[in-house]
Amino acid sequence: GQQVMQIPQYQHVQEGEDFTTYCNSSTTLSNIQWYKQRPGGHPVFLIQLVKSGEVKKQKRLTFQFGEAKKNSSLHITATQTTDVGTYFCAGVSGNTPLVFGKGTRLSVIA
Amino acid sequence: EAGVAQSPRYKIIEKRQSVAFWCNPISGHATLYWYQQILGQGPKLLIQFQNNGVVDDSQLPKDRFSAERLKGVDSTLKIQPAKLEDSAVYLCASSSLPSGIAGEQFFGPGTRLTVL
Repeated sequence: GQQVMQIPQYQHVQEGEDFTTYCNSSTTLSNIQWYKQRPGGHPVFLIQLVKSGEVKKQKRLTFQFGEAKKNSSLHITATQTTDVGTYFCAGVSGNTPLVFGKGTRLSVIA
Repeated sequence: EAGVAQSPRYKIIEKRQSVAFWCNPISGHATLYWYQQILGQGPKLLIQFQNNGVVDDSQLPKDRFSAERLKGVDSTLKIQPAKLEDSAVYLCASSSLPSGIAGEQFFGPGTRLTVL
């Protein structure tokens, strides 16, 4: 079945440093979504990417969808303590439901 | 607008006991999802409803798990009997989009289940 893999599993950064998490799918995706889950909280939708090579920005967050639609990345510029949490990618392939990766847990040291 | 409501927030039971979780989605959202999130993992879909019909339950352990959404609004998920490996957070999510069209899912706060 479809698998979505994320790396790294954990990332510790100093406040102000940049952060990137990568997502790879075993199958070609029709779209990919990114969610953020704060410690003790629930997943909150960040963005959805649909087009090959698509790049979207939300303030300090930049999301990319690979040309082959099998990988994606989330880059945060100049991290802040409010960025702490686990970032999940989740992909849809064909008629399959959304499949989540295991997430990247980000810690920001002030 | 009110978010997705879930209850209870926490539940501790012994193995072989039964447990039920309740979810009330955002008003007007036809699609409802139940996910299981084991510690350190991403949410795993258990079942998806479109109104009161099941769209996908391929990953639901049907020998012990059941779910219903009789009136197409709120939903219950039941585990009977529970096993130790069922310890997890059970998340309910809803979407305004019909099944088959991917889009933002709104998650509830979840029910943390501990099976002893």
